[in-house]
Amino acid sequence: NAGVTQTPKFQVLKTGQSMTLQCAQDMNHNSMYWYRQDPGMGLRLIYYSASEGTTDKGEVPNGYNVSRLNKREFSLRLESAAPSQTSVYFCAIVPGQLGDTQYFGPGTRLTVL
Amino acid sequence: GEDVEQSLFLSVREGDSSVINCTYTDSSSTYLYWYKQEPGAGLQLLTYIFSNMDMKQDQRLTVLLNKKDKHLSLRIADTQTGDSAIYFCAESNDYKLSFGAGTTVTVRA
Repeated sequence: NAGVTQTPKFQVLKTGQSMTLQCAQDMNHNSMYWYRQDPGMGLRLIYYSASEGTTDKGEVPNGYNVSRLNKREFSLRLESAAPSQTSVYFCAIVPGQLGDTQYFGPGTRLTVL
Repeated sequence: GEDVEQSLFLSVREGDSSVINCTYTDSSSTYLYWYKQEPGAGLQLLTYIFSNMDMKQDQRLTVLLNKKDKHLSLRIADTQTGDSAIYFCAESNDYKLSFGAGTTVTVRA
């Protein structure tokens, strides 16, 4: 997984609970991304960060916040989880050796009841 | 993503060739990718093609790119049971990737 770690691997929440998904890279790469994967819909970009301290919205940002406090970590926060946020969440990085090719973490499976 | 389309399912006999097709919309994409996802795992970069190429071969994998029709295909020769997975086509633009919905390939004995 190209040096990308995600925690936790699995999580079950009740509607209205909050949680933070963590992503960390072991290399000094600038760009980091958060995606969600739902059956039949491929991957959809939630937020991305081109560099430390900057973040931008992707295709489906509503209900999420992100934080890129340092180059190594990019966190995704659900302030008030909803069943529609049940999904598998992937973090990705762009090492830059091959243009903007992205390499993915192992994923976090989130269920919101 | 709605900009990248691929068929959802493909069933192939072990030993035959698999061909997965994809159409995309952004003619300015620099790279086009194929990712593989095995059950319960993340996405693994399988291969890629630079937009100024029309073919790339890597062992059992052949990627064909038709820029005029915005059509990308992945051929897997001598398909094995370990090739059973979901295959995603993706196009790059401005440091973002747009993914297709994925093609589930099932290899039968």
